[in-house]
Amino acid sequence: GAGVSQSPSNKVTEKGKDVELRCDPISGHTALYWYRQSLGQGLEFLIYFQGNSAPDKSGLPSDRFSAERTGGSVSTLTIQRTQQEDSAVYLCASSSEGGRETQYFGPGTRLLVL
Amino acid sequence: GENVEQHPSTLSVQEGDSAVIKCTYSDSASNYFPWYKQELGKRPQLIIDIRSNVGEKKDQRIAVTLNKTAKHFSLHITETQPEDSAVYFCAASMQAGRRALTFGSGTRLQVQP
Repeated sequence: GAGVSQSPSNKVTEKGKDVELRCDPISGHTALYWYRQSLGQGLEFLIYFQGNSAPDKSGLPSDRFSAERTGGSVSTLTIQRTQQEDSAVYLCASSSEGGRETQYFGPGTRLLVL
Repeated sequence: GENVEQHPSTLSVQEGDSAVIKCTYSDSASNYFPWYKQELGKRPQLIIDIRSNVGEKKDQRIAVTLNKTAKHFSLHITETQPEDSAVYFCAASMQAGRRALTFGSGTRLQVQP
């Protein structure tokens, strides 16, 4: 079946602009995660959605970052007033449930803030 | 919160040799430990994982060991091949509480033909 998809694949924006990144998880997966990977670095957790529970936002680096998940499926990560340090690859992952189930990653969105 | 340390940061081996990557974690409540392989410009792909009720797991040339007492786990790749060259990440998570993965900083493995 189809894997996790993300759009756009690349995004170039100017400092101060807002951006929206989209994630389509694997059908039927109830858990969805956003991670950020800076150049040559590991993956940094941002936010986690599990079913209808309140999201775990503990990894969001500032209040400029927010995310929502509509209808328990598609998720959008929004970065307001982008800064150059926001430049990174933003990866989405989904799993059949939270915790010890395998997380499958999307191809990522490469964000460049000029 | 959880902290995962990974060593070495880079590893170069000759084709056919074995490679070992080690990780330690801080939170004794963590009970799931996956390993991901990431090729340049590609998404991370799960290669093997281990749960806390198991001490060792093997899949062909890849094996993972877990020592819960010492809070460390290791990835072993035998008979390495050039296509094993990639960045490898270890991670840890909990079934309850924070369920997102905490990743190590990665190991760049280069297999010399």
